Amino acid sequence: GQQLNQSPQSMFIQEGEDVSMNCTSSSIFNTWLWYKQDPGEGPVLLIALYKAGELTSNGRLTAQFGITRKDSFLNISASIPSDVGIYFCAGYDTGTASKLTFGTGTRLQVTL
Amino acid sequence: EAGVTQFPSHSVIEKGQTVTLRCDPISGHDNLYWYRRVMGKEIKFLLHFVKESKQDESGMPNNRFLAERTGGTYSTLKVQPAELEDSGVYFCASSQEQLGGLYGYTFGSGTRLTVV
Repeated sequence: GQQLNQSPQSMFIQEGEDVSMNCTSSSIFNTWLWYKQDPGEGPVLLIALYKAGELTSNGRLTAQFGITRKDSFLNISASIPSDVGIYFCAGYDTGTASKLTFGTGTRLQVTL
Repeated sequence: EAGVTQFPSHSVIEKGQTVTLRCDPISGHDNLYWYRRVMGKEIKFLLHFVKESKQDESGMPNNRFLAERTGGTYSTLKVQPAELEDSGVYFCASSQEQLGGLYGYTFGSGTRLTVV
């Protein structure tokens, strides 16, 4: 089946630093989504990308849909303590009905 | 609007026992999904209901797992008998659109299942 390789697995950064994480796939996706999971909660959608090359921002978050449609990255600028959590990329392919393929997640820890 | 509700939030059972997880989707959402995350791995699709019908159950691991959605409202996921490898967090999600994956679903907080 389709697999997404997400890196890094975990990051320890200081408050105020910028963060970058990415996701690569062996197959093409038509949509890339980025989710964040806070401790004890379910994943919450941060950004959705629908077109190859698209660059989208949501506050301090910026995500891009790779030109090859096989990768995506997420940047967080000027991190703050509430950015702590697990970030998941997810790919959607219209050929797979309604299901999403998720990456393994990037655990972000922010120190003061 | 109430979100997706799952219970229990935690369950610890012995190998060989039965556990039933419940999910209440957002009211009016016909599409309901079950996903699972085994520790440290990706969140994996289990199945998708449209109302009371199973649209896609290709992710169900084996016949020890039984999902139902009688009446097209809440759903249950039963594991019988539970094995150690069934431990993980089980997420439920719902969406109004059939192509919910395209726009992102709303997830519940999950049920953390530990089989000992």
